[in-house]
Amino acid sequence: DAKTTQPPSMDCAEGRAANLPCNHSTISGNEYVYWYRQIHSQGPQYIIHGLKNNETNEMASLIITEDRKSSTLILPHATLRDTAVYYCIVRVARISDMRFGAGTRLTVKP
Amino acid sequence: GAGVSQTPSNKVTEKGKYVELRCDPISGHTALYWYRQSLGQGPEFLIYFQGTGAADDSGLPNDRFFAVRPEGSVSTLKIQRTERGDSAVYLCASSLPGTGVAFFGQGTRLTVV
Repeated sequence: DAKTTQPPSMDCAEGRAANLPCNHSTISGNEYVYWYRQIHSQGPQYIIHGLKNNETNEMASLIITEDRKSSTLILPHATLRDTAVYYCIVRVARISDMRFGAGTRLTVKP
Repeated sequence: GAGVSQTPSNKVTEKGKYVELRCDPISGHTALYWYRQSLGQGPEFLIYFQGTGAADDSGLPNDRFFAVRPEGSVSTLKIQRTERGDSAVYLCASSLPGTGVAFFGQGTRLTVV
């Protein structure tokens, strides 16, 4: 029961913004949107999460639409080290059965 | 340690053997998760612990798989009568309850030959 839909792959030029979309049309009112990424041969790494307001941290920005049915992860200045698989997950923070989909494979090109 | 530690990093075993994979979570993290990941796939949820108890074990594929966390810290994933299809990277993660922010280990690569 996939809760999120992401494109399987995307390319981005080094130094440009990478905008990764995620659809979560069945999201519930108490579910948060989380983003993780997985660089080759490493465990997933937390990036950012939000409920309904846009969020920004040192790694990325998260834009959530007003109806909360979709969101976009923005890497403002992508580097080659940002090449990874990016996972969008919706879940209730207090109940933690966190399940991953297939994610988006982002390739940053020089 | 500073992060989630998984041992061994690699394990090769013969079909039919029993294996144990260990996870040391971040100190103070009461939530612990196990996943397995096959090549080219996203992590597949196996089991989630809150403290010593398994809050959700719905991802365990069959009764050959079992996990324990007797003192609410270290966890062991146990696989009986291993099959070649069990070959994968097994990932462990831990988090503080209610935050939803999980920290992952580097995984154990299990190869069943």
